[in-house]
Amino acid sequence: DAGVIQSPRHEVTEMGQEVTLRCKPISGHNSLFWYRQTMMRGLELLIYFNNNVPIDDSGMPEDRFSAKMPNASFSTLKIQPSEPRDSAVYFCASSTTGNSYEQYFGPGTRLTVT
Amino acid sequence: ILNVEQSPQSLHVQEGDSTNFTCSFPSSNFYALHWYRWETAKSPEALFVMTLNGDEKKKGRISATLNTKEGYSYLYIKGSQPEDSATYLCASYAGNNRKLIWGLGTSLAVNP
Repeated sequence: DAGVIQSPRHEVTEMGQEVTLRCKPISGHNSLFWYRQTMMRGLELLIYFNNNVPIDDSGMPEDRFSAKMPNASFSTLKIQPSEPRDSAVYFCASSTTGNSYEQYFGPGTRLTVT
Repeated sequence: ILNVEQSPQSLHVQEGDSTNFTCSFPSSNFYALHWYRWETAKSPEALFVMTLNGDEKKKGRISATLNTKEGYSYLYIKGSQPEDSATYLCASYAGNNRKLIWGLGTSLAVNP
């Protein structure tokens, strides 16, 4: 298996623009997680899905952030409009059966908003 | 303890030294404790998932113990090597909302 795939790997955009991050989980995994890594807060869980259904989105910073999982093999995290403080590395991870099983992380997307 | 806390924040050891770190987590409604290894410029990789009080797990020179009653886990590295240099993260899966809460990690640097 290719592991968790994320695209793009790097994104540089101007403030106010829409940003869409993409994730393909490992085949057969039914849970998907979006994280944000910053120096100040470490690894923050933004949202997670179980069987394509959002279970906990309490970590989503504000209404500018939205996430979807239209099917078992694809998820998006959208930021609209983007702001400089959104600059971070965004990781997607997948696992079987929720949080009790180890998570497999993608390579991350480094987002820079100027 | 409401959050997951790790100590020390950073650690520098010499090659060959053995070392250990601590992860403290909420003991109420405990479900699982995860340890991950995160090398610079890479993604976190799972080391252990532990669920039972008194559990001990080992992978090569790395081992971990779990005390769910008092809410702590230790990660041990025997005979540290430069390739062990990484940030070691723990995460607790507990509480009524069954949410994975991450610590900030212990950054280990092993000098050759």
